[in-house]
Order: sequence, then structure tokens, then C-alpha cells
Amino acid sequence: GQQLNQSPQSMFIQEGEDVSMNCTSSSIFNTWLWYKQDPGEGPVLLIALYKAGELTSNGRLTAQFGITRKDSFLNISASIPSDVGIYFCAGPLYGGSQGNLIFGKGTKLSVKP
Amino acid sequence: KAGVTQTPRYLIKTRGQQVTLSCSPISGHRSVSWYQQTPGQGLQFLFEYFSETQRNKGNFPGRFSGRQFSNSRSEMNVSTLELGDSALYLCASGIAGGHGSYNEQFFGPGTRLTVL
Repeated sequence: GQQLNQSPQSMFIQEGEDVSMNCTSSSIFNTWLWYKQDPGEGPVLLIALYKAGELTSNGRLTAQFGITRKDSFLNISASIPSDVGIYFCAGPLYGGSQGNLIFGKGTKLSVKP
Repeated sequence: KAGVTQTPRYLIKTRGQQVTLSCSPISGHRSVSWYQQTPGQGLQFLFEYFSETQRNKGNFPGRFSGRQFSNSRSEMNVSTLELGDSALYLCASGIAGGHGSYNEQFFGPGTRLTVL
């Protein structure tokens, strides 16, 4: 089946550092979504991207929709301890339903105070 | 505005039993999707419902089924439970589903199913 390749798998950083993670696919996506999941909870939507080349920010988070429609990245600036969690990229395939999302395997972020 | 709610939050069953999980979408949302999350396979799409009709189905055996009611609430059922069905089952709702833009999917907290 279709896959999203998300990297890195895990990151261990110092508080205050910037973080960058990305997602790539061999298929075209018409939407890129970034979620954060805390232990025992459901994923929480952070940023949604709908146009190739689009750059969107949400506080200290910035995400971009790659111009080839096959990749996206998420940056977190000046990380803080509450940024700890697992970050997922997701999207429906081009032409697919928004309710049928394909997810990356996640990037586990650990922040050292 | 209340978020997506799922009941129960935790469930323990034994092999061979069946289970029904419930999801109430955000008010006004008509699309409900279900996902299975396991450490090995990650998040995998089960099915999507819109206006009481199954719109899409993932690659899961027929033991997994679902339905949606006229108030958009949804249930999923797993029959003849296997050990491998132990997972976090997540429900997500959206305004309309389908191919439109600006139709983000919002997730509930999930139901943790343990099969012994």
C-alpha cells in the first residue's frame, strides 16, 4: 500500500533548540496534515496544508507543502518541554477522500530541560 | 464546542469474543473515520462513513465492521477477536469528508482494546 516516509524516527534535543522533521512519498498528496500525539491520547491537528509550496505557521511551528506534492516538512523553533510527543505527517492520496488518511510512522521528540 | 468522544476508553476482552466501540463526532460533522494504531503498524485506516454510508474501507478482514447513525454517531464492531486486534482504536470526524479542501480530520482520545 501507499506509505509516507517520515524522518527522523526519533530526536533527543535540548530545550531551546530548533527541530526539523520531514515526510516524503512516492505518490502525490493534495493535502498534508501534521499531528502531535501524547501518550494515551488521540492525535491533535497542528497544521493543515492545501497548496503546493504553501508555508504555514502556528505559533512556533512552521510547515511547508513541497512543490512536487510529494513531501512536507515541519519545523519547531525554540523547543520547550511540552513539545515532547510523537509527531505524525498524514494526508489523503491525490484524488482520495479527506476521511481516508495515510500516516507516517511518526517522529518521537524528547526535550531535555 | 465539544470534541470527538469515544467510549469506552479502555476495554479488555478474550479471544473469540466480539466488541463494539462507539464514537460521537464533533457537532455538525458528518464524516466519521476509524483507525487502528499499533506499535508495529502505526496508524492504519479502517473505514470512513458519511451520511450513514460507508465511503471507503481499508485493508482489514471482514471481522471489522462499522455503521453510522442518522445523528452521525458511529460504531465499529470486531467479531471473533484475535490477540493481534489489541490496539488503540481511533475515531476522527470531519465536516464532510470527500475530496474537498479545508476539511481537517479531528481525532478522539481512542479506545484501548486489549485482547487476552
